[in-house]
Amino acid sequence: DAGITQSPRHKVTETGTPVTLRCHQTENHRYMYWYRQDPGHGLRLIHYSYGVKDTDKGEVSDGYSVSRSKTEDFLLTLESATSSQTSVYFCAITEPTGNYGYTFGSGTRLTVV
Amino acid sequence: DAKTTQPNSMESNEEEPVHLPCNHSTISGTDYIHWYRQLPSQGPEYVIHGLTSNVNNRMASLAIAEDRKSSTLILHRATLRDAAVYYCILFWKGGSEKLVFGKGTKLTVNP
Repeated sequence: DAGITQSPRHKVTETGTPVTLRCHQTENHRYMYWYRQDPGHGLRLIHYSYGVKDTDKGEVSDGYSVSRSKTEDFLLTLESATSSQTSVYFCAITEPTGNYGYTFGSGTRLTVV
Repeated sequence: DAKTTQPNSMESNEEEPVHLPCNHSTISGTDYIHWYRQLPSQGPEYVIHGLTSNVNNRMASLAIAEDRKSSTLILHRATLRDAAVYYCILFWKGGSEKLVFGKGTKLTVNP
């Protein structure tokens, strides 16, 4: 969707390797989020950010870290990928002062083998 | 987070109206009612939201019960492209600003 892009779209990696997923937005929204989606669990929040260098944990944050050094970029890092982190990852943005909902990216499909 | 209850699945015929229900009996006065949908192989998409009054936009209408314990998303004329999982979410604006997704309703649209 225009305004938010995720990269890569697909990735296959080996167990134990570090992986970084990128979310980039051009909307200048302050809030950014990372979700993962798995069959049987739906969408679950991993980490979120309320601004540059202001991040916090969601409900499934173990094994993940995030960084936000610029308003437009929110990086999700798997320090040492495990097979349980095979999932589809979605980034979302919102501006709390606006009357809008969240805008989601198209997702990154990550496979850990 | 306050919870919502939705049917697991619903079916509709193309070009007919669809009423997707959502119960949220523990809603608080500051909770907004948000609806999102997720088409196959895509990220969720914002549909509509409201607080107390009924709302309309180009995608759908949202009817909110007077006691706010339930709401209904109305698609006026379903198309095949409306086949998706629809999520009803309570959102506390001014609080944690986090969307918490349930399992949603899977809508099937028959041609």
